[in-house]
Formats: sequence, C-alpha cells, structure tokens
Amino acid sequence: GENVEQHPSTLSVQEGDSAVIKCTYSDSASNYFPWYKQELGKGPQLIIDIRSNVGEKKDQRIAVTLNKTAKHFSLHITETQPEDSAVYFCAASRDNDYKLSFGAGTTVTVRA
Amino acid sequence: NAGVMQNPRHLVRRRGQEARLRCSPMKGHSHVYWYRQLPEEGLKFMVYLQKENIIDESGMPKERFSAEFPKEGPSILRIQQVVRGDSAAYFCASSPGVGDEQFFGPGTRLTVL
Repeated sequence: GENVEQHPSTLSVQEGDSAVIKCTYSDSASNYFPWYKQELGKGPQLIIDIRSNVGEKKDQRIAVTLNKTAKHFSLHITETQPEDSAVYFCAASRDNDYKLSFGAGTTVTVRA
Repeated sequence: NAGVMQNPRHLVRRRGQEARLRCSPMKGHSHVYWYRQLPEEGLKFMVYLQKENIIDESGMPKERFSAEFPKEGPSILRIQQVVRGDSAAYFCASSPGVGDEQFFGPGTRLTVL
C-alpha cells in the first residue's frame, strides 16, 4: 500500500515569513495529492490539491509543488499569519480512489 | 448546508464496554468514510460505505469493529469490548461521489480507561 512521510513534524515561523512542508510517497500510481488543515477541535479541511498532470498550483498565499520523478510534493505558505497556525496533513491517492493515505502531520506555529 | 456531523465529540469507555460513534454526512452525500487517528500519527482509512452497503472495510480490524450506513439515519461505527489501544480520534468524511473531495467531520475522541 501507499506510505506517505511528512517533514517536519513541527514548524515555528515568524509572522510574515514562509513555511514549507515536504512529503514523500511510495506508490508510483498515486496521482492525487491533497493538503488538509486541521485546527484545534475540528476535522481536517482541504486547502489545496494537485494532480499529477501539473507540477505546481497556487492559490493566494498557498502553493503546492509536485515532483513525480522523485515522488515528493511540498506545501508552501507565504506571508504567514497567526491564523495559519494549525496542523497540516499531506495525503496521496490514486485517481478516483477513495482511500486517502495521510502523512503524520506538521504542527505549524506562527509567532506574532 | 450543515457540514458533516459527528457525535458524541468525546466518549469515555472502560475496557470491555461498547463504543458507538455516529456520523451524519453532508446533505446530498451518499458516500461515507471512517478514518482513525492515533496520537502523533496521520489519519488511517478504516472503511468506506454507501447507503446500506459496505464497499471496502480493508482498513478495519477484523474483530470487535463494525460499521453500518442504514437507509435511514446516520452511519455508525461500533467497537465492541474496547481496549486501551482503541483510544484515538475517529473521523468521518462524506462525499457526493467516489473520488470526489471528502469533507470531514469534527471527529469523536474516544478514551478507554
């Protein structure tokens, strides 16, 4: 099955700086890579996703890059704000597959 | 349109008791998924159900765990004779169709004493 590894496990950044989270996956057939944000006491919420037919996708301050050859993908948050503080999860699955494989999560703390 | 609802949010059980976790999917969603999150770990897929059918339970332990999604009412994840290792957060997600975005509920945090 798919194995997703995520680094770092914790990340502390100064407000306004950038945050980068990296994930690797093992199943070369995976081609859907969503990122979730989980705030305290809530369920994960999808913030951005990328499919294997593109190498990069951007949505305002959030961007995701994908390297299929190396089997890794990254989340970039620019101009971080205190409300970006949360646990972020990467995940991977095959197209049209319901079975998401999650990384262990990164706890991001944005210092004011 | 209310999101995915889960109850209870917190559940405490003693070893050997039964735990029942409920999930009401978003309106119009007929696909339900259950995930378990152990401390310091990511979510792990347990089971996928459509109305009245279990489609894939490959991630669910063979013993003590069962799930259902009846024609009427919420989906239920049932854990019999709970053990301390069952302590975790259990998340339910729903989607309108297979392969569509999954919307997650707030989770049920089960603590087994």
